[in-house]
Amino acid sequence: QKEVEQNSGPLSVPEGAIASLNCTYSDRGSQSFFWYRQYSGKSPELIMSIYSNGDKEDGRFTAQLNKASQYVSLLIRDSQPSDSATYLCAVTNDYKLSFGAGTTVTVRA
Amino acid sequence: EAGVTQSPTHLIKTRGQQATLRCSPISGHTSVYWYQQALGLGLQFLLWYDEGEERNRGNFPPRFSGRQFPNYSSELNVNALELEDSALYLCASSGDRGETQYFGPGTRLLVL
Repeated sequence: QKEVEQNSGPLSVPEGAIASLNCTYSDRGSQSFFWYRQYSGKSPELIMSIYSNGDKEDGRFTAQLNKASQYVSLLIRDSQPSDSATYLCAVTNDYKLSFGAGTTVTVRA
Repeated sequence: EAGVTQSPTHLIKTRGQQATLRCSPISGHTSVYWYQQALGLGLQFLLWYDEGEERNRGNFPPRFSGRQFPNYSSELNVNALELEDSALYLCASSGDRGETQYFGPGTRLLVL
């Protein structure tokens, strides 16, 4: 079983729609959870961090964490073409980040 | 505030050679992490240095090694290069163990 699994993509959404990204993790002791965005050929860029159960909103992005279900998600509201990228879910495990394989999002104009 | 910097941006080597990649963390950060991202694959954890010590390493052979200097900058060495070592090598830094990691632009290594 992979440590971090993300819903397979690619995910194509029309401009202005909501993009929903899901991630599950295997280590129940994980404490910190992150979403990174990676444009093609570039390095990952932090979008959100979340540490406790519930929702955390930052602009058009909302992260949701449910530790009981070992599930973390990211919603992108009012999707823009500039949101087209690969989104990486990352979970802290024994002081190292374990990454999911990523979900590629394409926002259609 | 300057971000994480890496050098060189690109590196071309031949099989059997050695590669040295460098990373300078964000000012004030003491932890440096190295990751490998092969084409089409996810990020794989390589090494973690904190306060000059190697704290953890991923599932990579010993020919992948590194060190952290007193100014917290770090070096990744890859010996006896193989074709499959061709990848984007990313360095990240954090100010506290287990906390948010910020990535540098990466070094793209090509092994011919």
